[in-house]
Amino acid sequence: GENVGLHLPTLSVQEGDNSIINCAYSNSASDYFIWYKQESGKGPQFIIDIRSNMDKRQGQRVTVLLNKTVKHLSLQIAATQPGDSAVYFCAGYSGGYQKVTFGIGTKLQVIP
Amino acid sequence: DSGVTQTPKHLITATGQRVTLRCSPRSGDLSVYWYQQSLDQGLQFLIQYYNGEERAKGNILERFSAQQFPDLHSELNLSSLELGDSALYFCASSGGAVNEQFFGPGTRLTVL
Repeated sequence: GENVGLHLPTLSVQEGDNSIINCAYSNSASDYFIWYKQESGKGPQFIIDIRSNMDKRQGQRVTVLLNKTVKHLSLQIAATQPGDSAVYFCAGYSGGYQKVTFGIGTKLQVIP
Repeated sequence: DSGVTQTPKHLITATGQRVTLRCSPRSGDLSVYWYQQSLDQGLQFLIQYYNGEERAKGNILERFSAQQFPDLHSELNLSSLELGDSALYFCASSGGAVNEQFFGPGTRLTVL
């Protein structure tokens, strides 16, 4: 079935280092992806998105890379800060909301 | 604060019962989305309403129903509750595009 999954459930990084969080998807029809950040006790928060006609998109301290050949996307966070500690998960959309699948999530722990 | 409010924050009930979760979207947002987040399945899209009408349906059980009222607030009704329905239920709203979603703080439902 369709699946969007993560390689690493927990990632610990030193403050100031760069973080890379990965996501694999199986639905080749997915044409739009979003990375979400979810802090403890809060709802998900949009971080960055990318459409399937792009392979890279940059935001403030974050970059999303999309490799459609291997159905993989990653979220890179530059100069990771303690406030970045949260669960990050990806979502893949196919034809709008009719088919949306969320990854389970990766917990990012920033070590001061 | 996303501007989306959800009530109640916590809800504890017994199997077989029926509950109603309420969501008030951000001012001006016409779309409301409902999600279920459980520990073993991650975030799942349930249903979307746009200006009072159902727009998209995801993994919503027949025991669950939702509606959006003329003032744009929405309610998610869960009936014949089972232990497996215990989860966080999030509401999100947007003014248009998929990536403009703002999530509420969630309602934690515990079915005993």
